Amino acid sequence: GDSVTQMEGPVTLSEEAFLTINCTYTATGYPSLFWYVQYPGEGLQLLLKATKADDKGSNKGFEATYRKETTSFHLEKGSVQVSDSAVYFCALSVTGGFKTIFGAGTRLFVKA
Amino acid sequence: NAGVTQTPKFQVLKTGQSMTLQCAQDMNHEYMSWYRQDPGMGLRLIHYSVGAGITDQGEVPNGYNVSRSTTEDFPLRLLSAAPSQTSVYFCASSTPTQSNYGYTFGSGTRLTVV
Repeated sequence: GDSVTQMEGPVTLSEEAFLTINCTYTATGYPSLFWYVQYPGEGLQLLLKATKADDKGSNKGFEATYRKETTSFHLEKGSVQVSDSAVYFCALSVTGGFKTIFGAGTRLFVKA
Repeated sequence: NAGVTQTPKFQVLKTGQSMTLQCAQDMNHEYMSWYRQDPGMGLRLIHYSVGAGITDQGEVPNGYNVSRSTTEDFPLRLLSAAPSQTSVYFCASSTPTQSNYGYTFGSGTRLTVV
């Protein structure tokens, strides 16, 4: 079945460091891919998305590129801030579907 | 513009008790879903609905019931609470024209079963 695998956390970085959180997926169709972010005590918020191969999603300095050949959607940011501390979830939804499958989440701590 | 509203935010139940978690959205979204979030397991789909009067099971439906009598509301019922149902529950909605553009989530209900 469809699944998402993302790197285990926690990830601890100093402010202004480069961030990469790896995400790979398995899907039978042509999924849309998402990154969601969850701040403490809150629900998930959509961070960015990509709906087809080679699309790049971007938002708030975060980027991820839909790589069909490697079935990956890695999240990157060039310079993290303390306010980026949160849990990040990679997710997929098969084309035309409404059921989203989530990875286990990666907790990010950014130190000042 | 409230988005997705979940109540209550916190609840403690005794084993065997029943209760209903409420979810309402004001965006006229056709799709609504319930997820539970457990440490190290991400979010798992409990039940979902593609429109009023239509519901279906997700990955972990046992012990839960849902109904969808209106577009706005999608309550989740725990029939006989068990400690294994201790979790954080999230309701989410989306629309078919934007189903590839992500969910809108509620802020969650933290449930403890003792």
